[in-house]
Amino acid sequence: QLQLQESGPGLLKPSETLSLTCIVSGGSIIDSSFYWGWIRQPPGKGLEWIGSVYYSGTTYYNPSLKSRVTISADASKNQFSLRLTSVTAADTAVYYCSPVIGNAFETWGPGTMLTVSS
Amino acid sequence: SFDLSQPPSVSVSPGQTASISCSGDKLGDTFASWYQHKPGQSPVLVIYHDYKRPSGIPERFSGSNSGNTATLTISGTQAMDEADYYCQAWDSDIAIFGGGTKLTVL
Repeated sequence: QLQLQESGPGLLKPSETLSLTCIVSGGSIIDSSFYWGWIRQPPGKGLEWIGSVYYSGTTYYNPSLKSRVTISADASKNQFSLRLTSVTAADTAVYYCSPVIGNAFETWGPGTMLTVSS
Repeated sequence: SFDLSQPPSVSVSPGQTASISCSGDKLGDTFASWYQHKPGQSPVLVIYHDYKRPSGIPERFSGSNSGNTATLTISGTQAMDEADYYCQAWDSDIAIFGGGTKLTVL
């Protein structure tokens, strides 16, 4: 059973760079059976897909965030990461990581809250 | 990429059937998934590949997808089913979420 755990800074100032990590247990990040995604939910709003990374390193990003996002995988640590530059208050959200299995986000981490405030 | 539209809210009486729609251009040509999201918790996958239920999801949850509309149906709705529900599909390698539907069990 895959388990995921997000970790992040909690609070950032506008214009800073967000770095989040998703630690994967119960499975290998280089298993070709699935790939990995980041999703977020701003307060009072719906779910928004940020992007995905395949075991090969191939990435796909939400067009609305593409210029600021980088997702990468680290097989040696069995984790994958999200980097979001130039954050603003609009990036305040709960950030989730999830494996994509059978075209669906099958298991979700507990989420990590990010607040962007000066 | 296409948009997925859901009604903002749906109300149902306990024991009755709730249906939540998700509309998108040619949505039936791709697979739809549904997620249940309760306050303070992580989303839970309840339907994938249009109608399949993950292990542990009650049989009262079912799904369909045809034409431009996917539908999540909850039969014999229980108070514990009160939550936000999101549909999701893929446009090539881009994931799209619907805006979410708040299900109220009155």
